[in-house]
Amino acid sequence: EIVLTQSPATLYLSPGERATLSCRASQSVTSYLAWYQQKAGQAPRLLIYDTLYRANGIPARFSGSGSGTDFTLTISSLEPEDFAVYFCQHRGNWPPTYTFGQGTKLEIK
Amino acid sequence: QVQLVQSGPEMKRPGASVKVSCKASGYIFTSYGISWVRQAPGQGLEWMGWISTYSGNTNYVQRFQGRITMTTDTSANTAYMELRRLRSDDTAVYYCARDLDCSTPRCSDTWGQGTLVTVSS
Repeated sequence: EIVLTQSPATLYLSPGERATLSCRASQSVTSYLAWYQQKAGQAPRLLIYDTLYRANGIPARFSGSGSGTDFTLTISSLEPEDFAVYFCQHRGNWPPTYTFGQGTKLEIK
Repeated sequence: QVQLVQSGPEMKRPGASVKVSCKASGYIFTSYGISWVRQAPGQGLEWMGWISTYSGNTNYVQRFQGRITMTTDTSANTAYMELRRLRSDDTAVYYCARDLDCSTPRCSDTWGQGTLVTVSS
């Protein structure tokens, strides 16, 4: 069973700053690594899929990278609406099996 | 537009069962599988399992085996998740989520609005 560990648990930054969120897998995974954003009281929203690709409607300030066991979500310049909780997710082989990281909370400094 | 609409909040006693529905609209129901994900208060996301809306095949997380059943009614474009022998730590918001739609240049996701299930004596 793959375990995803996200760091840091909480990240304190100001609008305009760059955010770098990490997701480490317990073993090497395929490229299916996704990132979700969740705001209070809302369902998660897909940001990045297949490690690199922005989902439909996601601004270009969000980018994903990584391979093997180490993956990163970068927000190039934080907007006020970006302060939320972020989860990474891995999809296993058929039939679909999903694992979430425990989340990183992005808070205003 | 593509939408998943879930049933309303539930309050259950320990040991009871709950069945949450997820009604799809705006797309061909049997073209995309449905996952169920839950989130306990103040906690992270926990994937519970997946059902093929085409075949009815399921894949459940091991720790829910024996307590969970996912089904679909294709005539009603609705997916269901039943959880039995409820415990207080099953208190959570339960979400249904459709498999990604990658038929356009960029993939998109669709989630239900969530259903709060409270288990308390």
